[in-house]
Amino acid sequence: DAGVIQSPRHEVTEMGQEVTLRCKPISGHNSLFWYRQTMMRGLELLIYFNNNVPIDDSGMPEDRFSAKMPNASFSTLKIQPSEPRDSAVYFCASSGGTGSVGANVLTFGAGSRLTVL
Amino acid sequence: AQSVTQPDIHITVSEGASLELRCNYSYGATPYLFWYVQSPGQGLQLLLKYFSGDTLVQGIKGFEAEFKRSQSSFNLRKPSVHWSDAAEYFCAVGAGGYQKVTFGTGTKLQVIP
Repeated sequence: DAGVIQSPRHEVTEMGQEVTLRCKPISGHNSLFWYRQTMMRGLELLIYFNNNVPIDDSGMPEDRFSAKMPNASFSTLKIQPSEPRDSAVYFCASSGGTGSVGANVLTFGAGSRLTVL
Repeated sequence: AQSVTQPDIHITVSEGASLELRCNYSYGATPYLFWYVQSPGQGLQLLLKYFSGDTLVQGIKGFEAEFKRSQSSFNLRKPSVHWSDAAEYFCAVGAGGYQKVTFGTGTKLQVIP
């Protein structure tokens, strides 16, 4: 398996622009997580899905952020409009397998580094 | 709500020396505990996990961790550190099932010759 695939790896954009980050989870995994990592706040859970349904989006910072999972093999995180304080590395992770432990073990993508000027 | 504390932000050890990274958790029931490692520019990789049974668990790259319920701790250890172990290490706690996993703030490990 190719693992969790994220794109783009790097994105530089100007304030006010729309940003879309993409994630392809591991085939067969039924939970997907979006995290944001910054120096100041560490690793924050933004939202997670189970069987394509959003379960907890309490970590989404503002209405400018939205996430979708239209099918089991694809998810997007959108920021519109983007602001400089959104600059961070955004990670997607997926989990699955049988039993509770499998469900809790996360496999991370390589991340998307976003810079908003 | 579950939480994780990693009291050491940064640790420096000499190559060949032993290592212990501290992790304390807060959770009402038996936790699912994890250690992940992140190399620069990379995502997080699972080192080891604990969910039940033997409280001393072995992981990849020669790491081990011990679950101590009385101390609410899950410290990571390695008897002899290699320069390639320089990275950031994250402790995490989960509730099992399809629940979220909460990460600590990480400990950055520097290895000096």
